Amino acid sequence: AQSVAQPEDQVNVAEGNPLTVKCTYSVSGNPYLFWYVQYPNRGLQFLLKYITGDNLVKGSYGFEAEFNKSQTSFHLKKPSALVSDSALYFCAVRDMNTGFQKLVFGTGTRLLVSP
Amino acid sequence: NAGVTQTPKFQVLKTGQSMTLQCAQDMNHEYMSWYRQDPGMGLRLIHYSVGAGITDQGEVPNGYNVSRSTTEDFPLRLLSAAPSQTSVYFCASLTRDRANSYEQYFGPGTRLTVT
Repeated sequence: AQSVAQPEDQVNVAEGNPLTVKCTYSVSGNPYLFWYVQYPNRGLQFLLKYITGDNLVKGSYGFEAEFNKSQTSFHLKKPSALVSDSALYFCAVRDMNTGFQKLVFGTGTRLLVSP
Repeated sequence: NAGVTQTPKFQVLKTGQSMTLQCAQDMNHEYMSWYRQDPGMGLRLIHYSVGAGITDQGEVPNGYNVSRSTTEDFPLRLLSAAPSQTSVYFCASLTRDRANSYEQYFGPGTRLTVT
């Protein structure tokens, strides 16, 4: 079964510092990997995805993610954090075992950026 | 476009009561789905639909019914609410033309409490 793991419940970083939110995956076949962000009282918003090609994927709001096949990881990164980046971040993977475009989500990591 | 809309935003039910969570999208998306979000568990798929008149079960369908009489609407019914259904419910949609992108659009969510 496809799965993703987010080992950190919360990540704290000071504004202006680089941030990393970790995600590891377990899939059979080629992985389709995603990052979504959830701001307070809002639905999930798509940030970026990896399907194939360059291992460094660039997304919205200055975020990027690095796909590492040998470490089965897809960490979310940003060179300089903003207070407004504080939110809940979900890693997800495509589930190939259903006849629907189902995503399997991780448990989420809360990012807190302090001024 | 309003995107994906959900009503109500908040609801409190007593055990055994029934209610319908509404979801509508104005993007003419063929695919729609319902997820529930619980702390420490990420999002889990309840039911999904690949078009009007077609629905199927996700990974946690028990206690919920759906129907899809139009492309725009995908209501989720709780026939006899239980405390275990206390959760945040998200509706999502995806266009068939970009189905392989897996980039779903999420509504803002309905926070349901069952006492």
